[in-house]
Amino acid sequence: QKEVEQDPGPLSVPEGAIVSLNCTYSNSAFQYFMWYRQYSRKGPELLMYTYSSGNKEDGRFTAQVDKSSKYISLFIRDSQPSDSATYLCAMTSTGGFKTIFGAGTRLFVKA
Amino acid sequence: NAGVTQTPKFQVLKTGQSMTLQCAQDMNHNSMYWYRQDPGMGLRLIYYSASEGTTDKGEVPNGYNVSRLNKREFSLRLESAAPSQTSVYFCASRGLAGTEQFFGPGTRLTVL
Repeated sequence: QKEVEQDPGPLSVPEGAIVSLNCTYSNSAFQYFMWYRQYSRKGPELLMYTYSSGNKEDGRFTAQVDKSSKYISLFIRDSQPSDSATYLCAMTSTGGFKTIFGAGTRLFVKA
Repeated sequence: NAGVTQTPKFQVLKTGQSMTLQCAQDMNHNSMYWYRQDPGMGLRLIYYSASEGTTDKGEVPNGYNVSRLNKREFSLRLESAAPSQTSVYFCASRGLAGTEQFFGPGTRLTVL
């Protein structure tokens, strides 16, 4: 079993839709939870990060962490064609040097 | 600042050939990483260097070697390339107090 599970998609939605992306994990030591966005033929870039449980909002993006269920989510409101990318969840433990990445979900937002 | 740079951007090798992928960062970061990315597999850690002078194996180290040349540079060497090493390779770095990793643009490697 992988430490982090993420549905690779692809996920196709119309412009303006609410998008929900999710990951599950097995290691209870993880404390930092991140979402990276990767455009085609580019390196990943950090989109949001959350420490421990709770919600964090940044514009159209909301990250949620439920440590009791070992489940994290990224919501995108009013999705735009420019949001079309691969979204990778990632997590690491306090003081840890290694970050574990999910497989990434490919998102297509159609105009 | 250039951030994380990687060379080359593209490379085609024949089975058995060797090559070195170069990575440099100008953010004074302590930790550096090499990943490979394959369809449906996400980013898999090959090797990492927590600080200058140290290197450790990641999830998929077989067939690779690394050198942390100095604080800025971290190279990845394929001694005898195999078709299974066809992939996109990313270098990343991270600061001492941070969790965010900064990625380079990647090297697309094909082994025939």
